Amino acid sequence: DQQVKQNSPSLSVQEGRISILNCDYTNSMFDYFLWYKKYPAEGPTFLISISSIKDKNEDGRFTVFLNKSAKHLSLHIVPSQPGDSAVYFCAASLTGNTGKLIFGQGTTLQVKP
Amino acid sequence: DTAVSQTPKYLVTQMGNDKSIKCEQNLGHDTMYWYKQDSKKFLKIMFSYNNKELIINETVPNRFSPKSPDKAHLNLHINSLELGDSAVYFCASSQPGTSSYEQYFGPGTRLTVT
Repeated sequence: DQQVKQNSPSLSVQEGRISILNCDYTNSMFDYFLWYKKYPAEGPTFLISISSIKDKNEDGRFTVFLNKSAKHLSLHIVPSQPGDSAVYFCAASLTGNTGKLIFGQGTTLQVKP
Repeated sequence: DTAVSQTPKYLVTQMGNDKSIKCEQNLGHDTMYWYKQDSKKFLKIMFSYNNKELIINETVPNRFSPKSPDKAHLNLHINSLELGDSAVYFCASSQPGTSSYEQYFGPGTRLTVT
């Protein structure tokens, strides 16, 4: 039972354009959502997060949008840079912050120069 | 200065052997985790310790036993290794009560069981 899903295994965009990575979830008890970025042979690194009481959070080139009614969130990267090429994981935390994060299966982003 | 470190980075061993993976964090965090990333790239939590106390224990075979000698260390011991244990194992840490729920991950240990 995959509660967090990233249905696009890969995405390719041109440098300077917008990258949009999508994530769907099924559990309405999730109260926090996070995006992680992972380079090969490294551990995931935190990118940006959003509380379930908000619908948008922005940090530089990265913006996360949350649509609770649709149980959908997305990560926008503008403008995309070749260094953004990595695997992006969406993760969700259950109410109460037990520390348990449930991850999606990741989307590989390739930004072409 | 590495925040979360794991040793070894690569581990190749035969079925039936017993092996350990070590994890250390120098962030002063109270909570540490073990995650498994399987061949399908799913990253799933296995265990969580808060200040040396087991908090989360997902459905993991008894062959896997975490040990936390102090809050900066969380080791993972695996008995009687099986082919299906081949995966990348990530250690992570976090500080409870922080607003972002952020966890810091180590570089991973790629375990190959032959």
